[in-house]
Amino acid sequence: GQNIDQPTEMTATEGAIVQINCTYQTSGFNGLFWYQQHAGEAPTFLSYNVLDGLEEKGRFSSFLSRSKGYSYLLLKELQMKDSASYLCAGMDSNYQLIWGAGTKLIIKP
Amino acid sequence: IAGITQAPTSQILAAGRRMTLRCTQDMRHNAMYWYRQDLGLGLRLIHYSNTAGTTGKGEVPDGYSVSRANTDDFPLTLASAVPSQTSVYFCASSDSGPGANVLTFGAGSRLTVL
Repeated sequence: GQNIDQPTEMTATEGAIVQINCTYQTSGFNGLFWYQQHAGEAPTFLSYNVLDGLEEKGRFSSFLSRSKGYSYLLLKELQMKDSASYLCAGMDSNYQLIWGAGTKLIIKP
Repeated sequence: IAGITQAPTSQILAAGRRMTLRCTQDMRHNAMYWYRQDLGLGLRLIHYSNTAGTTGKGEVPDGYSVSRANTDDFPLTLASAVPSQTSVYFCASSDSGPGANVLTFGAGSRLTVL
């Protein structure tokens, strides 16, 4: 079956770095997405990886290893506004998204 | 402001009642989607439409129906609501074509069925 696994909750300190991991099993693979969702709000797109390696976008970076079925989202210089849930989603061979349950990131001062 | 508008924002209704959640986008995206989000679970696709005039079933379509009469509107109807349909519903859209189908989401509709 198809499955996305990510930790339920993580805690980090303001100014620090945190890595949110995601492992995926999909029927075929057409990319891995990360979305951010603040409480009570809509998910918003953060990153897309389809090739192995690291994609950097300002304070956020996303990594993909297709051979390991693994991705991570790296957040640097954490700010209080980064407190949110981070959703990992894999795209299968039919271009359908398989979503993880999300990782709730709590930032402490 | 370009984006997706959902209505209502929140609704409580009695089991057995009919309910339509409205979704309108102004980005001229061809593809539209309805998801439900429940605590502890990932977003689950209910129905989708790749272009006006066509619809398809997602992962959890039972008890729901959709229509796509034009590019902008994609309403979701619960013919006879049941308590298990209590959830937050998100409408989303994307440009057509395979590949990096980045989704733009509406603000969500919180539905409680009693």
